[in-house]
Amino acid sequence: RKEVEQDPGPFNVPEGATVAFNCTYSNSASQSFFWYRQDCRKEPKLLMSVYSSGNEDGRFTAQLNRASQYISLLIRDSKLSDSATYLCVVRGFGNEKLTFGTGTRLTIIP
Amino acid sequence: DTGVSQNPRHKITKRGQNVTFRCDPISEHNRLYWYRQTLGQGPEFLTYFQNEAQLEKSRLLSDRFSAERPKGSFSTLEIQRTEQGDSAMYLCASLRGGAQETQYFGPGTRLLVL
Repeated sequence: RKEVEQDPGPFNVPEGATVAFNCTYSNSASQSFFWYRQDCRKEPKLLMSVYSSGNEDGRFTAQLNRASQYISLLIRDSKLSDSATYLCVVRGFGNEKLTFGTGTRLTIIP
Repeated sequence: DTGVSQNPRHKITKRGQNVTFRCDPISEHNRLYWYRQTLGQGPEFLTYFQNEAQLEKSRLLSDRFSAERPKGSFSTLEIQRTEQGDSAMYLCASLRGGAQETQYFGPGTRLLVL
């Protein structure tokens, strides 16, 4: 079983729609959680950290459920510029490395 | 631009040749990471430095791979006797310190082994 699992998609969503991505992680000792965004042939860039209380940044909302070892990302009012691959990322306690999911590919359709 | 630079950006080599990549982290960042990303996959951790000390190495880092950070600033990743399976994007990331801080990635070096 992979440490971080995501639905690879692709998700093809009309502009203005709401889209949700889910991710599960296997290591219950994981401490930090993130969503990164990666454009085609570019490096990953931090989209947002994910906290147990949930957090929101404009049109983006992230949630963490530690009991179910589940992370989600919600994008509201999607824009063409949201087209990218979204990577679910986990870091363990006292472990410096980041563990990435395979990514979920999102295409926003005009 | 995150401030992390990598060179070269692209490298094409023949199987069996040696290649070396360089990463220059953000200047005040004491931690430096190497990852490898193949098509359709997320980045996979290779190794990590705190200052000049190499603190962790992945099982992915075979004996053909060696990484250094001699003065705690820039780092190099060398692959000896390259194989076609080494073709990937090699990403470098840095952070200032403290496990809760964000890793900033460089643009990567794309390697193609023919």
